[in-house]
Amino acid sequence: EVVLTQSPGTLSLSPGESATLSCRASQSVYNDYLAWYQQKPGQAPRLLIYGTSYRATGIPDRFSGSGSGTDFTLTISRLEPEDFAIYFCQHYGNSQYTFGQGTKMEI
Amino acid sequence: QVQLVQSGAEVYKPGASMKVSCQASGYNLIDYSISWVRQAPGQGLEWMGWINAFNVKTNYAGNFQGRVTMTTDTSTNTAYMELRSLRSDDTAVYYCARDRGVYGVSGYYYLDLWDKGTTVTVSS
Repeated sequence: EVVLTQSPGTLSLSPGESATLSCRASQSVYNDYLAWYQQKPGQAPRLLIYGTSYRATGIPDRFSGSGSGTDFTLTISRLEPEDFAIYFCQHYGNSQYTFGQGTKMEI
Repeated sequence: QVQLVQSGAEVYKPGASMKVSCQASGYNLIDYSISWVRQAPGQGLEWMGWINAFNVKTNYAGNFQGRVTMTTDTSTNTAYMELRSLRSDDTAVYYCARDRGVYGVSGYYYLDLWDKGTTVTVSS
């Protein structure tokens, strides 16, 4: 089973700054199987990025994903107040999904 | 409107069984698989399994094997998740999500449509 490790655990930034969130896989994974989600308190996760770098419908271009092999990154530029949330990466392999433990982004 | 609508919050006693429903609207349940994911209070996301309504295939996470059953009713466009022998650590928000990967055509694996979740509390 692939283990996803996200870092940092908490990221403290200000509106207008840029954020770089990391997701490291315990073994090399397919780019097509890597996605990112945003979750705000009391809400369901929302799909941001799939296939490592493709933005989901309605996601602003401030959000971008990159990476390959074992190292993947979610970058959020020009942070808006509504971007402060928890972010999870996700992988699919061996017929099952796994999630990273999450990165909390706070003001 | 394309959405998933889950059943409401429930409280169960340890040892009981729970069953959550997830009704799809705006699309046909047989067109995509459904994954179930849970989130314990203050914790991360834990995938429980998926079901495909078209071929009635399921795959459950190892942690839930023998305790979970996922089914669908295509006449009502509804998916169900039953979890048995409940324990206090099953207290969580349970989500169903449309799965674009399993038996999908794109080759990408992700969950693109979620309901707000069903809060399940297990307490004596």
